[in-house]
Amino acid sequence: ETGVTQSPTHLIKTRGQQVTLRCSSQSGHNTVSWYQQALGQGPQFIFQYYREEENGRGNFPPRFSGLQFPNYSSELNVNALELDDSALYLCASSFTGIETQYFGPGTRLLVL
Amino acid sequence: KQEVTQIPAALSVPEGENLVLNCSFTDSAIYNLQWFRQDPGKGLTSLLLIQSSQREQTSGRLNASLDKSSGRSTLYIAASQPGDSATYLCAVAAEGFQKLVFGTGTRLLVSP
Repeated sequence: ETGVTQSPTHLIKTRGQQVTLRCSSQSGHNTVSWYQQALGQGPQFIFQYYREEENGRGNFPPRFSGLQFPNYSSELNVNALELDDSALYLCASSFTGIETQYFGPGTRLLVL
Repeated sequence: KQEVTQIPAALSVPEGENLVLNCSFTDSAIYNLQWFRQDPGKGLTSLLLIQSSQREQTSGRLNASLDKSSGRSTLYIAASQPGDSATYLCAVAAEGFQKLVFGTGTRLLVSP
């Protein structure tokens, strides 16, 4: 059983650019959630995907968007990057129903 | 709006001590509560999950309790070791939805 993987591990972008982050969910899981963790803070919920449909969204602007694919992997896209988007982006997968969420290692994004 | 608070923000203890980390939440209508461990710059590792109907969960040297009515949870670590040094995060899931609301964490340092 493979765990949750994310790519890339680190990324540097400039303000105004666009970025795509990728997540492969744990085998057997059909739900993926994305979180943003600023330095020294707890993770903040961005959105969740269940069977390719958005299943809830946190307090993030529309320039944060996502996709889930038939194999349940997922992408997080951020347009018009701002300096405050610099953070660790975490992906978590779980099976439908309330179970433990398994987190990937994260992607560290730095916006200059 | 659910808010999660963790006290203390940081804790430094000598090896071998037993210690307690605290978590409080404002809305008692939770589905479950999870404790996570995060090493610097890394993703989250789930330690314990307590369903709202449960009072406690144990795993090895770790014991987590939940008092839903008072909005409190504690994580007890017995016989602490230097390898326990990390940030410990508490997160609650609202009923009917898998979004996790996190506290800001307790940074633990265990000295040899």
